Amino acid sequence: GENVEQHPSTLSVQEGDSAVIKCTYSDSASNYFPWYKQELGKRPQLIIDIRSNVGEKKDQRIAVTLNKTAKHFSLHITETQPEDSAVYFCAASIQEYAGGTSYGKLTFGQGTILTVHP
Amino acid sequence: IAGITQAPTSQILAAGRRMTLRCTQDMRHNAMYWYRQDLGLGLRLIHYSNTAGTTGKGEVPDGYSVSRANTDDFPLTLASAVPSQTSVYFCASSEGGMNTEAFFGQGTRLTVV
Repeated sequence: GENVEQHPSTLSVQEGDSAVIKCTYSDSASNYFPWYKQELGKRPQLIIDIRSNVGEKKDQRIAVTLNKTAKHFSLHITETQPEDSAVYFCAASIQEYAGGTSYGKLTFGQGTILTVHP
Repeated sequence: IAGITQAPTSQILAAGRRMTLRCTQDMRHNAMYWYRQDLGLGLRLIHYSNTAGTTGKGEVPDGYSVSRANTDDFPLTLASAVPSQTSVYFCASSEGGMNTEAFFGQGTRLTVV
């Protein structure tokens, strides 16, 4: 099955600095790579995602890059703010087919605790 | 309000007891999932269901069972709870097809003593 490794496990930055979280995946068939943010005591929520036919995607202060050859993808947060403090999870999805429809089953990385100091 | 709901929010359970965690979604999503979250291990898939009437095993299925009698409900059962099943459990759903974004419930904190 798919295996997703995420680094670093903890990341501490000063407000205004950039933060980068990296993930590698094992199965070259994976084609969907979302990033989830989980605030303390809350549910994970999607913040950005990328598909395998795209190398980079940006949404305001966050961006994701994908290197299919190397099987790794990264989350970039610029101009960090204290409210960016949370646990971030990467995931990879391989499509399965049932009844003529495809489904993606997510395999998550171990998570990164990001702390942004004011 | 559309979404995915879990019950109970938290539970303390004696070892050896049977427990069912409930999950209901009203988004008419085809696929549903159960994950457990443990510190340092991220979210690990327990069981999943691509459509009503079908289920599959995830990464850590032992000690758990699921059923998918209809589109909306996906209960997770611990037949005989053990302390290693102490965890936070998240149910999730996704539409299927090319739209694979997963929406999560609020989680169930389970402590087995």
